[in-house]
Amino acid sequence: QKEVEQNSGPLSVPEGAIASLNCTYSDRGSQSFFWYRQYSGKSPELIMSIYSNGDKEDGRFTAQLNKASQYVSLLIRDSQPSDSATYLCAVNSIQKLVFGTGTRLLVSP
Amino acid sequence: EPEVTQTPSHQVTQMGQEVILRCVPISNHLYFYWYRQILGQKVEFLVSFYNNEISEKSEIFDDQFSVERPDGSNFTLKIRSTKLEDSAMYFCASGDQGVSGNTIYFGEGSWLTVV
Repeated sequence: QKEVEQNSGPLSVPEGAIASLNCTYSDRGSQSFFWYRQYSGKSPELIMSIYSNGDKEDGRFTAQLNKASQYVSLLIRDSQPSDSATYLCAVNSIQKLVFGTGTRLLVSP
Repeated sequence: EPEVTQTPSHQVTQMGQEVILRCVPISNHLYFYWYRQILGQKVEFLVSFYNNEISEKSEIFDDQFSVERPDGSNFTLKIRSTKLEDSAMYFCASGDQGVSGNTIYFGEGSWLTVV
């Protein structure tokens, strides 16, 4: 069974701080890695995708990938209360995405 | 911006009844998926569909489930005889190149309540 592991949280950070979200995966054959944001009762919304080792930045978001360690992370700079949501790590496994349980992020004003 | 649309947004059904959830994927996409999320739990893969056939399915996707692309635009999930444990949010998703190296986009979901 291919697994994606995340700390369920909640991760609490003050407004303006950096939030760091982590994810590990078990399938060494995975090539594509995604971070989705999910507000309560809503569908997953894509934030970032990353395919190569290293960092990928998009605005306030930076995704980091280390395939040797089977580790993906998401950094959110200058966190805002509107960033409060559950962040889902997803990893490709053959013809599907496998999701982690998600990390709940709470950004306090 | 193109989006995946799903209907109904919410359906309540009696246990044992058949349910059909409908999805209109993004128009130029070729890969289609159904996922479900039981309240408070993670997003779980049900089935992927490409070239008019199932390409992969999970253990959850047993004989009570079926998928169909009846008219070239809609993509449906049928649950033949619903059980209480089928109560969940069902998400349809689509992509143009499959998940390896490419993104899939989710619809807003259909919330199914079995009573």
